[in-house]
Amino acid sequence: NAGVTQTPKFQVLKTGQSMTLQCAQDMNHEYMSWYRQDPGMGLRLIHYSVGAGITDQGEVPNGYNVSRSTTEDFPLRLLSAAPSQTSVYFCASSYSRAGVYNEQFFGPGTRLTVL
Amino acid sequence: RKEVEQDPGPFNVPEGATVAFNCTYSNSASQSFFWYRQDCRKEPKLLMSVYSSGNEDGRFTAQLNRASQYISLLIRDSKLSDSATYLCVVNGPGGFKTIFGAGTRLFVKA
Repeated sequence: NAGVTQTPKFQVLKTGQSMTLQCAQDMNHEYMSWYRQDPGMGLRLIHYSVGAGITDQGEVPNGYNVSRSTTEDFPLRLLSAAPSQTSVYFCASSYSRAGVYNEQFFGPGTRLTVL
Repeated sequence: RKEVEQDPGPFNVPEGATVAFNCTYSNSASQSFFWYRQDCRKEPKLLMSVYSSGNEDGRFTAQLNRASQYISLLIRDSKLSDSATYLCVVNGPGGFKTIFGAGTRLFVKA
């Protein structure tokens, strides 16, 4: 049981480049989400999904796209990278019980630098 | 006003001390509440869920006051290994949108 996996661990991009951060979970969780973490600001929700085919925006969605074609995978796409997107990105998954979402399980993170 | 606010920290305490973290949230319809721990450059991990009746796990006690929209975490007999950032986390209405506080850094010194 690998839990939540993310690739790559590190990435350097030039301004204007696009790329996809991969996230996968093997716990059959219906809920998946992407966060970015910047110094002193905590984690901010980018996008989330409550099941395959369903996605919605979080606090800071601009510049990012997501899709959820399977329960396991939830990739995050940067459309045209900007230096302001330099951050640590975490993917997480969770499950609900009696309609309430429980703890989130996080991947190890992707450290992205945009030059 | 931020949706989840925590003590700014950092807290510097000696081993054996008792330390308390406070957190307030703005949405009265929030459904569930948690404390996470994050070590430097690592992913957050659940420390404990927080229930209205209060709950304890060893040296850690968490409390929730819905009327005041306030959450607390008490660590007794601090250990060096407790040094980390503690994140207050709130799930909004429907439980979908999870809001993290900025975190409070704790340094426990020998």
